[in-house]
Amino acid sequence: AQSVAQPEDQVNVAEGNPLTVKCTYSVSGNPYLFWYVQYPNRGLQFLLKYITGDNLVKGSYGFEAEFNKSQTSFHLKKPSALVSDSALYFCAVTTGGFKTIFGAGTRLFVKA
Amino acid sequence: DAMVIQNPRYQVTQFGKPVTLSCSQTLNHNVMYWYQQKSSQAPKLLFHYYDKDFNNEADTPDNFQSRRPNTSFCFLDIRSPGLGDAAMYLCATSARGSPYEQYFGPGTRLTVT
Repeated sequence: AQSVAQPEDQVNVAEGNPLTVKCTYSVSGNPYLFWYVQYPNRGLQFLLKYITGDNLVKGSYGFEAEFNKSQTSFHLKKPSALVSDSALYFCAVTTGGFKTIFGAGTRLFVKA
Repeated sequence: DAMVIQNPRYQVTQFGKPVTLSCSQTLNHNVMYWYQQKSSQAPKLLFHYYDKDFNNEADTPDNFQSRRPNTSFCFLDIRSPGLGDAAMYLCATSARGSPYEQYFGPGTRLTVT
C-alpha cells in the first residue's frame, strides 16, 4: 500500500534562515511526488512535483525539493524563509491512476 | 484567470437535511475530484470523475453522491448529513490522472447543527 509520512507536525524557523520540511514515502513502483501548500481557509496550492529526471526540482515561490530514491525521501527546502511562507504543507504521492495519497501535513511557522 | 470555484464558501445545514455543494472550473480539465478535509488533516478522496466516468472510493459512505452534468460543473450531494460530516470539502481538477498536478478550489466549510 502507498503511504506518505511527514514526521514533523510543526517546523519553526526564523525569517531569513533556510527551511526544510521532511517527507518520506512508501510505494510499489515508481513514485510521482508532489508538494502542496494550504493557507488558512483556502484550498491546496500546487508547489512542485517530481516525475523523473533531475533529483532536484524547483517550484513556485523559491521552493525546491530533492528526490532521494535510496532514502525514499522528498524533502521540501527553501534557502531563505519568509514570514509569508507560514502555512500548512502537504507532501503527496501517486504511482499512477487518479488516487493521490497525502501526508498528514506539516505546519510551518516563520518568525520575523 | 482560469480557476476552480466553489460555492458556497460556508454552508450550514441541519442534521439529516440534504445539502448540495457545487464546483465549477474554467480550466477545461477532464478530471474532477471531491475531497473531505477535517481539522487541517490530510484531504481524503471521496470520488472522482474522468469525463463522465464516475469512480467512488471504496470507503466513501453511501450518504455521499456526486453529479457532473458537464465538463465545467460538479456537485457533491450529502443526502442525510450527520455531525461527523462537518468538514471542509475541497474540489480539485487535473488535466489527466497522475502525474498531473491537481488544482484546488478554495473549499466549502460545512457545519452541521
